[in-house]
Amino acid sequence: DSGVTQTPKHLITATGQRVTLRCSPRSGDLSVYWYQQSLDQGLQFLIQYYNGEERAKGNILERFSAQQFPDLHSELNLSSLELGDSALYFCASSVATSNTEAFFGQGTRLTVV
Amino acid sequence: KNQVEQSPQSLIILEGKNCTLQCNYTVSPFSNLRWYKQDTGRGPVSLTIMTFSENTKSNGRYTATLDADTKQSSLHITASQLSDSASYICVVSRRNTDKLIFGTGTRLQVFP
Repeated sequence: DSGVTQTPKHLITATGQRVTLRCSPRSGDLSVYWYQQSLDQGLQFLIQYYNGEERAKGNILERFSAQQFPDLHSELNLSSLELGDSALYFCASSVATSNTEAFFGQGTRLTVV
Repeated sequence: KNQVEQSPQSLIILEGKNCTLQCNYTVSPFSNLRWYKQDTGRGPVSLTIMTFSENTKSNGRYTATLDADTKQSSLHITASQLSDSASYICVVSRRNTDKLIFGTGTRLQVFP
């Protein structure tokens, strides 16, 4: 167990809908990263927050947004869902920045039908 | 362009054999390099993390090497086990940024 908790584990929804994925980082970790992994593909970096503020942005679509709350948990919001958004979404957390170890959650499997 | 390339894409070996996975990167300035193991449908789990000054690091049967001059790393797995079947991902981070740059991974299958 990495200490990073993601909910829900599975999510099935229809095209055009909006969903929210939640991530609770390890106790004491200030950084949260979000990644998308489509079937048989590598991990694609979406966005990173550090202590409540956006720190780095990857290939995140405008339909997607994220935030990190004062208690350091983070939410990834996906709207106007398309079939191609079906993927595993991982959250990772680390104590500080890129020189520290990042621990991954077990992911949320999103299926858009 | 900051990239991480891994080879081979996939590998099949017999249980008990050794294997070596390769990672070449063009990320600059370099901060650290990590190897992760990802079981199918699960989150990646860290195996090693190496900074510029480290050229070898072991974690049980896993040994990672780093040549920062040639920008190459390898992951050597000794006496493979069926549970080693997974994707192995090389990740490099740039100094002064928080972005982790992922390779596409090597899918290893260990057969009895």
